[in-house]
Amino acid sequence: DVKVTQSSRYLVKRTGEKVFLECVQDMDHENMFWYRQDPGLGLRLIYFSYDVKMKEKGDIPEGYSVSREKKERFSLILESASTNQTSMYLCASSLGYSNQPQHFGDGTRLSIL
Amino acid sequence: SQKIEQNSEALNIQEGKTATLTCNYTNYSPAYLQWYRQDPGRGPVFLLLIRENEKEKRKERLKVTFDTTLKQSLFHITASQPADSATYLCALAAGNQFYFGTGTSLTVIP
Repeated sequence: DVKVTQSSRYLVKRTGEKVFLECVQDMDHENMFWYRQDPGLGLRLIYFSYDVKMKEKGDIPEGYSVSREKKERFSLILESASTNQTSMYLCASSLGYSNQPQHFGDGTRLSIL
Repeated sequence: SQKIEQNSEALNIQEGKTATLTCNYTNYSPAYLQWYRQDPGRGPVFLLLIRENEKEKRKERLKVTFDTTLKQSLFHITASQPADSATYLCALAAGNQFYFGTGTSLTVIP
């Protein structure tokens, strides 16, 4: 089974801090994704990566950046955390893009105080 | 931008009945549509994928239909069980973006 591991289940940070969320997958998937999930808004795509060092903006990239230096690892960076970035963050990986299932981690619940 | 609507936020049904969940989309014609299940505190889990040229796809008690004319997918769970209680999400790729619906919370009452 594909395993997608997110580094923390819960994280509390302060406004203005630089925050790193890490995600690792063990199935050699080309594609990796970062989403945030908010009540009433569902999952929204922040960034995705289709190869090492390659990235594409999703629907809501503002305030975020990403890094993919190795195939198995995809990091989400909040450059200067703000309270409106308090959310559940979910990482996923997939073999193909639209025609393959995405495999999700269990999420990081991030609170910005 | 792409908009995906799922029929209702919550659906309660009696055990043994068939649950039917609706996913409507606008502004694009996706080649594939996917359905996921999400339990509280967990990430979504993939259930089924259907292609635009497939009218119907089945997996055990699950059935998905895809009507590209109506821009709608229906997700059915037959002989529902309390263990089927969860939130169900539909998702599609449009261009280089991936969109999820907000989900329908299903409760199966024993």
